Amino acid sequence: GENVEQHPSTLSVQEGDSAVIKCTYSDSASNYFPWYKQELGKRPQLIIDIRSNVGEKKDQRIAVTLNKTAKHFSLHITETQPEDSAVYFCAARRGDFTGGGNKLTFGTGTQLKVEL
Amino acid sequence: KAGVTQTPRYLIKTRGQQVTLSCSPISGHRSVSWYQQTPGQGLQFLFEYFSETQRNKGNFPGRFSGRQFSNSRSEMNVSTLELGDSALYLCASSSIYEQYFGPGTRLTVT
Repeated sequence: GENVEQHPSTLSVQEGDSAVIKCTYSDSASNYFPWYKQELGKRPQLIIDIRSNVGEKKDQRIAVTLNKTAKHFSLHITETQPEDSAVYFCAARRGDFTGGGNKLTFGTGTQLKVEL
Repeated sequence: KAGVTQTPRYLIKTRGQQVTLSCSPISGHRSVSWYQQTPGQGLQFLFEYFSETQRNKGNFPGRFSGRQFSNSRSEMNVSTLELGDSALYLCASSSIYEQYFGPGTRLTVT
């Protein structure tokens, strides 16, 4: 089955710096890659996603890049703020929704701490 | 639109008992997935229901089961509870791509 590896497990940055979290996936048939942010005691929140026909996607201070050849994708957060502190999860989905593919395989999470 | 809701939010059960958790998806979403979240194992996929049919299944024992009703609401059941079943159980409501999570049910097995 699909396996998703995520690095680093913890990341500490100074406010205003950039943060990068990387994930690799094993199944070349995976075609949808969302990122979730989970604050302590709260539900995972979808923050950005990318489909396999796109190499990069941006949303304000957040961007995701995808390298299908190398089977890895990354989350980039610029100008980090204290409220960015949370656990971030990457995920991969194989197949298409109408064909029955709707299982997300998650990475193990990255604890991001933004220090003042 | 209202978000994904789950009931109950907290539950304490004893080993050997069974439990039923409920999830109401976002209006119009026909797919509901269930995940188990623990500190040691992270987010693990349990199963997915679409139009009242189980479409995908994770690697959990048969004690974990679910169902979906015609209004897309879903329930999951865990029978013969074990201490290791203590976890946050999350359901997620899907459109074609995005999955949105509910607040979860925190299950503690004593």
